[in-house]
Amino acid sequence: EAQVTQNPRYLITVTGKKLTVTCSQNMNHEYMSWYRQDPGLGLRQIYYSMNVEVTDKGDVPEGYKVSRKEKRNFPLILESPSPNQTSLYFCASSLRGGVFGNQPQHFGDGTRLSIL
Amino acid sequence: DAKTTQPNSMESNEEEPVHLPCNHSTISGTDYIHWYRQLPSQGPEYVIHGLTSNVNNRMASLAIAEDRKSSTLILHRATLRDAAVYYCILRDRGWGNAGNMLTFGGGTRLMVKP
Repeated sequence: EAQVTQNPRYLITVTGKKLTVTCSQNMNHEYMSWYRQDPGLGLRQIYYSMNVEVTDKGDVPEGYKVSRKEKRNFPLILESPSPNQTSLYFCASSLRGGVFGNQPQHFGDGTRLSIL
Repeated sequence: DAKTTQPNSMESNEEEPVHLPCNHSTISGTDYIHWYRQLPSQGPEYVIHGLTSNVNNRMASLAIAEDRKSSTLILHRATLRDAAVYYCILRDRGWGNAGNMLTFGGGTRLMVKP
């Protein structure tokens, strides 16, 4: 089954303790992206990747890192989490970046992070 | 970026058609109109998209006004499973992230009554 898988689904942790949220897709998609969703603010893009080894900042990248060493995986890294990063996070992918960008995006089911 | 305006909420009865409106008066010639929905406790889900002509797929129909300044998502027979927040989003046809990033507004919360 075609899907985007995020882990963990839920995490409660403390300020400053490094964490990684994994994202994996099995559709051979080139484009991958991370969003956070907060009440009243909608979904905001954190980072995106047009293809392997090509990443760039979205609208709200501060406090986050990403890497894209393989096409299927796009982990989100919080080196020193802070309470303002408490949010619901979604990973998304689509077949192509670039001029083929108007293709449906597939989302994972989300990761709810609480940072105390 | 061109923005969209949707009603905050709508109600429907099960088994009846639902018309969800979206206004996008500042749409550019290179913008596609996309619809996504988000069910409770799930990630957004692609529904349909179009450019100028009306579109149909297994989930819904999209009716686009001739001047492209508004569109309507049509669910032909609402079910309880269709209760979700529906987002109308404009996406640029252009190169790079502009053509891929989704900018979600507030959306329309659809409630379906049995």
